[in-house]
Amino acid sequence: EAGVTQFPSHSVIEKGQTVTLRCDPISGHDNLYWYRRVMGKEIKFLLHFVKESKQDESGMPNNRFLAERTGGTYSTLKVQPAELEDSGVYFCASSQGGGETQYFGPGTRLLVL
Amino acid sequence: QQQVKQSPQSLIVQKGGISIINCAYENTAFDYFPWYQQFPGKGPALLIAIRPDVSEKKEGRFTISFNKSAKQFSLHIMDSQPGDSATYFCALTDGGSWGKLQFGAGTQVVVTP
Repeated sequence: EAGVTQFPSHSVIEKGQTVTLRCDPISGHDNLYWYRRVMGKEIKFLLHFVKESKQDESGMPNNRFLAERTGGTYSTLKVQPAELEDSGVYFCASSQGGGETQYFGPGTRLLVL
Repeated sequence: QQQVKQSPQSLIVQKGGISIINCAYENTAFDYFPWYQQFPGKGPALLIAIRPDVSEKKEGRFTISFNKSAKQFSLHIMDSQPGDSATYFCALTDGGSWGKLQFGAGTQVVVTP
């Protein structure tokens, strides 16, 4: 069974540019989460989808971040325009409906210069 | 506001020794306490988890000890091996938060040969 995949693995952009991160969850997992770890700090929750609906987006930093999950399969996280403080590792995780175990992808390392 | 405090930040232990990582929390509503293990370049992976109705859970060389009254839980790695060198995160969640994980800051464990 394929795990959670994320694309790209790394992204280096300049301040003010736009970046779109993609996450493909494990097939059949209704729950999809986005998290972010900034420079050695804790991994912080960003938002949670159940199928195509946003269940909880309380962790989204501001309106420069837009997450979508059209059709309830893969998800994208767009940052527009990117700021220096957006640098970090963005993780996606998925779980089965009602399942506690979250399976994480390898992350996208974003560097904003 | 960080909900869980993890210590130490880093740990060096000799092969065969015991690694101990501690986490403390405030909110008594949390009811699921997983530990995640992360290797460089990979995403966090569930290692072991506990619910507050038990005080200890053991899986192989890994043991979680849980002290509900003190609101603390810890991970013990017995007979540490070089392959255990990784970053360990404690986390917690409550049933009402749809699985949103709140993580500690992580402990980098290095096991020397």
